[in-house]
Amino acid sequence: SQTIHQWPATLVQPVGSPLSLECTVEGTSNPNLYWYRQAAGRGLQLLFYSVGIGQISSEVPQNLSASRPQDRQFILSSKKLLLSDSGFYLCAFSSGGVNTGELFFGEGSRLTVL
Amino acid sequence: KNQVEQSPQSLIILEGKNCTLQCNYTVSPFSNLRWYKQDTGRGPVSLTIMTFSENTKSNGRYTATLDADTKQSSLHITASQLSDSASYICVVSRSGAGSYQLTFGKGTKLSVIP
Repeated sequence: SQTIHQWPATLVQPVGSPLSLECTVEGTSNPNLYWYRQAAGRGLQLLFYSVGIGQISSEVPQNLSASRPQDRQFILSSKKLLLSDSGFYLCAFSSGGVNTGELFFGEGSRLTVL
Repeated sequence: KNQVEQSPQSLIILEGKNCTLQCNYTVSPFSNLRWYKQDTGRGPVSLTIMTFSENTKSNGRYTATLDADTKQSSLHITASQLSDSASYICVVSRSGAGSYQLTFGKGTKLSVIP
């Protein structure tokens, strides 16, 4: 069966510190991978998506970056966190384009920047 | 502008009662509409996905309807249970090759009380 794992679940970081959130998918090959951010009272916002190893598309210019070092691994990073980076981050995957395929989410990572 | 509006923003109902959540969208061209359930602090889980030609789909006590002409959808929950307490998110995707954008509503927060 297809599963998605995301960690850490909770993270408290000082302003200016680095960030690394990791996501892995099992049970499927060559998935499309996504990073979303969910702010309180707002809809999910797509940050990055990837259709293959080393292929990253950014939807929103920001302080964050993403990488896909392996087929089923997706990493969200920052060199220096800002207060505005606080939020709930969700990794997701789909087999094929998200406009037709099912989208599966990880459990999420709660980031608090102090 | 592609938008998804959900109502009500929040809802409190007694256990065992039925309720209906609304979703209006302006996304075009339309591909499909999904309803997700998101427990507090967790990732969203898919309930239903409907294409243009489908006007109703059920998943247990959850029944979603779609009127593609008026661009409206509803999610009906029958005989609510305490475990139904969650946010319900309406998501619409656009058709077209290479489309990786989904438009998310802000969600309806449902509280089921004993």
